[in-house]
Amino acid sequence: QVTLKESGPALVKPTQTLTLTCTFSGFSLSTSGMRMSWIRQPPGKALQWLARIDWDDDKFYSRSLKTRLTISKDTSKNQVVLTMTNMDPVDTATYYCARIDFGSFSYWGQGTLVTVSS
Amino acid sequence: QSALTQPASVSGSPGQSITISCTGTSSDVGSYDLVSWYQQHPGKAPKLMIYEGSKWPSGVSNRFSGSKSGNTASLTISGLQAEDEADYYCCSYAGSSTYVFGTGTKVTVL
Repeated sequence: QVTLKESGPALVKPTQTLTLTCTFSGFSLSTSGMRMSWIRQPPGKALQWLARIDWDDDKFYSRSLKTRLTISKDTSKNQVVLTMTNMDPVDTATYYCARIDFGSFSYWGQGTLVTVSS
Repeated sequence: QSALTQPASVSGSPGQSITISCTGTSSDVGSYDLVSWYQQHPGKAPKLMIYEGSKWPSGVSNRFSGSKSGNTASLTISGLQAEDEADYYCCSYAGSSTYVFGTGTKVTVL
Protein backbone atom coordinates (compact mmCIF):
# COMPACT_ATOMS: atom_id res chain seq x y z
CA GLN A 1 0.00 0.00 0.00
CA VAL A 2 1.43 3.32 -1.11
CA THR A 3 1.07 6.24 1.28
CA LEU A 4 2.57 9.71 1.34
CA LYS A 5 2.37 12.38 4.03
CA GLU A 6 3.66 15.92 4.04
CA SER A 7 4.92 17.67 7.14
CA GLY A 8 6.31 21.07 7.97
CA PRO A 9 5.45 24.41 9.55
CA ALA A 10 1.93 25.73 9.17
CA LEU A 11 3.12 29.32 9.43
CA VAL A 12 6.25 31.01 8.16
CA LYS A 13 7.24 34.66 8.10
CA PRO A 14 8.05 36.58 4.93
CA THR A 15 11.68 36.18 3.80
CA GLN A 16 12.07 32.95 5.78
CA THR A 17 12.99 29.61 4.24
CA LEU A 18 10.36 26.88 4.17
CA THR A 19 11.35 23.25 4.61
CA LEU A 20 8.78 20.53 3.89
CA THR A 21 9.21 16.79 4.27
CA CYS A 22 7.32 14.07 2.44
CA THR A 23 7.45 10.71 4.21
CA PHE A 24 6.29 7.80 2.12
CA SER A 25 5.83 4.06 2.32
CA GLY A 26 4.99 1.17 0.03
CA PHE A 27 7.83 1.79 -2.40
CA SER A 28 11.48 2.82 -2.55
CA LEU A 29 12.84 5.88 -4.28
CA SER A 30 16.00 3.91 -4.96
CA THR A 31 14.08 1.69 -7.39
CA SER A 32 15.06 2.37 -10.99
CA GLY A 33 12.52 4.61 -12.72
CA MET A 34 10.95 5.96 -9.55
CA ARG A 35 10.20 9.67 -9.52
CA MET A 36 8.52 12.05 -7.09
CA SER A 37 7.32 15.63 -7.23
CA TRP A 38 6.11 18.55 -5.18
CA ILE A 39 2.99 20.44 -6.27
CA ARG A 40 1.23 23.35 -4.60
CA GLN A 41 -2.22 24.94 -4.66
CA PRO A 42 -2.96 28.44 -3.35
CA PRO A 43 -6.37 28.72 -1.67
CA GLY A 44 -9.09 28.66 -4.31
CA LYS A 45 -6.58 28.48 -7.13
CA ALA A 46 -5.09 25.96 -9.52
CA LEU A 47 -2.40 23.36 -9.01
CA GLN A 48 1.18 24.34 -9.79
CA TRP A 49 4.03 21.88 -10.37
CA LEU A 50 7.16 22.78 -8.43
CA ALA A 51 9.90 20.16 -8.60
CA ARG A 52 10.83 16.56 -9.36
CA ILE A 53 13.48 14.19 -8.07
CA ASP A 54 14.39 10.87 -9.65
CA TRP A 55 15.74 7.59 -8.32
CA ASP A 56 19.18 8.50 -9.69
CA ASP A 57 19.10 11.88 -7.89
CA ASP A 58 18.38 13.91 -11.02
CA LYS A 59 16.46 17.06 -10.05
CA PHE A 60 14.19 19.33 -12.05
CA TYR A 61 12.42 22.57 -11.16
CA SER A 62 9.69 24.91 -12.29
CA ARG A 63 11.39 27.56 -14.41
CA SER A 64 9.58 30.37 -12.60
CA LEU A 65 10.68 29.18 -9.13
CA LYS A 66 13.96 27.47 -9.93
CA THR A 67 16.15 29.95 -8.07
CA ARG A 68 14.22 29.47 -4.82
CA LEU A 69 13.69 25.70 -4.76
CA THR A 70 15.80 22.75 -3.69
CA ILE A 71 14.55 19.17 -3.71
CA SER A 72 16.43 16.32 -2.08
CA LYS A 73 15.86 12.77 -0.89
CA ASP A 74 16.86 10.53 1.96
CA THR A 75 16.35 7.03 0.62
CA SER A 76 17.12 5.38 3.97
CA LYS A 77 14.30 7.33 5.62
CA ASN A 78 11.89 7.17 2.66
CA GLN A 79 11.70 10.95 2.60
CA VAL A 80 11.76 13.72 0.03
CA VAL A 81 12.47 17.26 1.19
CA LEU A 82 11.61 20.56 -0.47
CA THR A 83 13.09 23.86 0.58
CA MET A 84 11.83 27.20 -0.70
CA THR A 85 13.71 30.36 0.12
CA ASN A 86 12.55 33.94 0.55
CA MET A 87 8.93 33.08 1.29
CA ASP A 88 6.26 35.64 0.42
CA PRO A 89 2.54 35.84 1.21
CA VAL A 90 1.81 34.77 -2.39
CA ASP A 91 3.44 31.44 -1.52
CA THR A 92 0.59 30.67 0.86
CA ALA A 93 -0.72 27.35 -0.40
CA THR A 94 -1.36 23.71 0.28
CA TYR A 95 1.78 21.81 -0.65
CA TYR A 96 1.49 18.24 -1.91
CA CYS A 97 4.01 15.54 -2.65
CA ALA A 98 3.18 12.94 -5.26
CA ARG A 99 4.64 9.86 -6.90
CA ILE A 100 5.04 9.90 -10.66
CA ASP A 101 4.08 6.94 -12.81
CA PHE A 102 3.74 6.98 -16.60
CA GLY A 103 4.16 10.74 -16.66
CA SER A 104 1.31 11.37 -14.23
CA PHE A 105 0.92 11.98 -10.52
CA SER A 106 -0.50 8.66 -9.41
CA TYR A 107 -0.34 8.87 -5.63
CA TRP A 108 -0.72 12.04 -3.56
CA GLY A 109 -0.24 12.99 0.03
CA GLN A 110 -3.01 14.71 1.94
CA GLY A 111 -1.27 18.07 1.59
CA THR A 112 -0.05 20.56 4.16
CA LEU A 113 -1.25 24.15 4.31
CA VAL A 114 1.51 26.71 4.66
CA THR A 115 0.57 30.30 5.46
CA VAL A 116 3.09 33.09 4.95
CA SER A 117 2.39 36.00 7.25
CA SER A 118 4.20 38.26 9.65
CA GLN B 1 5.41 27.82 -19.05
CA SER B 2 1.87 29.18 -19.04
CA ALA B 3 -0.94 27.19 -17.48
CA LEU B 4 -3.07 25.11 -19.81
CA THR B 5 -6.44 26.71 -20.50
CA GLN B 6 -9.62 25.08 -19.22
CA PRO B 7 -13.17 26.44 -19.02
CA ALA B 8 -13.89 27.80 -15.56
CA SER B 9 -17.09 25.81 -15.23
CA VAL B 10 -19.11 23.09 -16.94
CA SER B 11 -22.47 21.77 -15.83
CA GLY B 12 -24.83 18.99 -16.75
CA SER B 13 -27.81 17.03 -15.53
CA PRO B 14 -27.55 13.53 -14.07
CA GLY B 15 -27.10 10.97 -16.82
CA GLN B 16 -25.83 13.46 -19.36
CA SER B 17 -22.34 13.64 -20.82
CA ILE B 18 -20.06 16.63 -20.47
CA THR B 19 -16.67 17.45 -21.95
CA ILE B 20 -13.90 19.55 -20.45
CA SER B 21 -11.29 20.97 -22.80
CA CYS B 22 -7.65 21.61 -21.99
CA THR B 23 -5.77 23.79 -24.46
CA GLY B 24 -2.03 24.01 -24.48
CA THR B 25 0.64 24.57 -27.09
CA SER B 26 2.85 22.63 -29.44
CA SER B 27 5.45 22.60 -26.64
CA ASP B 28 3.31 20.64 -24.23
CA VAL B 29 -0.06 19.05 -25.07
CA GLY B 30 0.68 18.96 -28.77
CA SER B 31 4.08 17.32 -28.42
CA TYR B 32 3.53 14.53 -25.93
CA ASP B 33 0.99 11.80 -25.22
CA LEU B 34 1.39 12.54 -21.54
CA VAL B 35 -1.77 14.39 -20.59
CA SER B 36 -3.33 13.40 -17.30
CA TRP B 37 -6.56 14.42 -15.59
CA TYR B 38 -7.30 14.86 -11.90
CA GLN B 39 -10.50 15.09 -9.88
CA GLN B 40 -10.46 17.13 -6.69
CA HIS B 41 -13.27 17.30 -4.19
CA PRO B 42 -13.30 20.22 -1.72
CA GLY B 43 -10.64 19.90 0.95
CA LYS B 44 -9.22 16.73 -0.60
CA ALA B 45 -6.09 15.86 -2.52
CA PRO B 46 -6.38 15.46 -6.28
CA LYS B 47 -7.08 11.98 -7.64
CA LEU B 48 -5.68 10.67 -10.91
CA MET B 49 -8.51 9.85 -13.34
CA ILE B 50 -6.77 9.52 -16.71
CA TYR B 51 -3.11 9.11 -17.66
CA GLU B 52 -1.23 9.05 -20.96
CA GLY B 53 -4.17 10.85 -22.50
CA SER B 54 -6.71 8.07 -22.43
CA LYS B 55 -5.78 5.33 -19.98
CA TRP B 56 -7.57 4.49 -16.74
CA PRO B 57 -5.79 3.87 -13.46
CA SER B 58 -7.04 0.88 -11.55
CA GLY B 59 -10.36 1.55 -9.88
CA VAL B 60 -11.38 4.55 -11.99
CA SER B 61 -14.74 4.31 -13.71
CA ASN B 62 -14.76 4.01 -17.50
CA ARG B 63 -17.41 6.75 -17.50
CA PHE B 64 -14.35 9.01 -17.65
CA SER B 65 -12.56 9.08 -20.98
CA GLY B 66 -9.75 11.15 -22.42
CA SER B 67 -8.72 12.19 -25.90
CA LYS B 68 -6.51 14.67 -27.72
CA SER B 69 -6.55 16.59 -30.97
CA GLY B 70 -3.63 18.83 -31.78
CA ASN B 71 -2.90 21.11 -28.86
CA THR B 72 -6.19 20.40 -27.08
CA ALA B 73 -6.95 17.50 -24.77
CA SER B 74 -10.42 16.63 -23.55
CA LEU B 75 -12.01 14.77 -20.67
CA THR B 76 -15.52 13.41 -21.17
CA ILE B 77 -17.67 12.28 -18.28
CA SER B 78 -20.53 10.05 -19.40
CA GLY B 79 -23.59 9.22 -17.35
CA LEU B 80 -22.97 12.18 -15.06
CA GLN B 81 -23.54 11.42 -11.38
CA ALA B 82 -23.84 13.61 -8.32
CA GLU B 83 -20.50 12.31 -7.02
CA ASP B 84 -18.78 13.67 -10.16
CA GLU B 85 -19.30 17.23 -8.89
CA ALA B 86 -15.77 18.42 -8.25
CA ASP B 87 -12.91 20.43 -9.69
CA TYR B 88 -10.99 18.87 -12.57
CA TYR B 89 -7.46 19.66 -13.65
CA CYS B 90 -5.51 18.59 -16.69
CA CYS B 91 -1.74 18.30 -16.69
CA SER B 92 0.77 17.84 -19.47
CA TYR B 93 4.42 16.96 -19.65
CA ALA B 94 6.11 20.08 -21.02
CA GLY B 95 9.55 18.80 -21.94
CA SER B 96 12.86 19.02 -20.07
CA SER B 97 11.31 16.99 -17.26
CA THR B 98 8.81 19.71 -16.37
CA TYR B 99 5.03 19.66 -16.13
CA VAL B 100 2.24 22.19 -16.49
CA PHE B 101 -1.25 22.06 -15.00
CA GLY B 102 -4.46 23.51 -16.33
CA THR B 103 -6.45 26.36 -14.86
CA GLY B 104 -9.08 24.02 -13.50
CA THR B 105 -12.76 23.42 -14.23
CA LYS B 106 -15.58 23.28 -11.73
CA VAL B 107 -18.12 20.64 -12.69
CA THR B 108 -21.63 21.14 -11.38
CA VAL B 109 -24.30 18.46 -11.51
CA LEU B 110 -27.63 20.21 -11.88
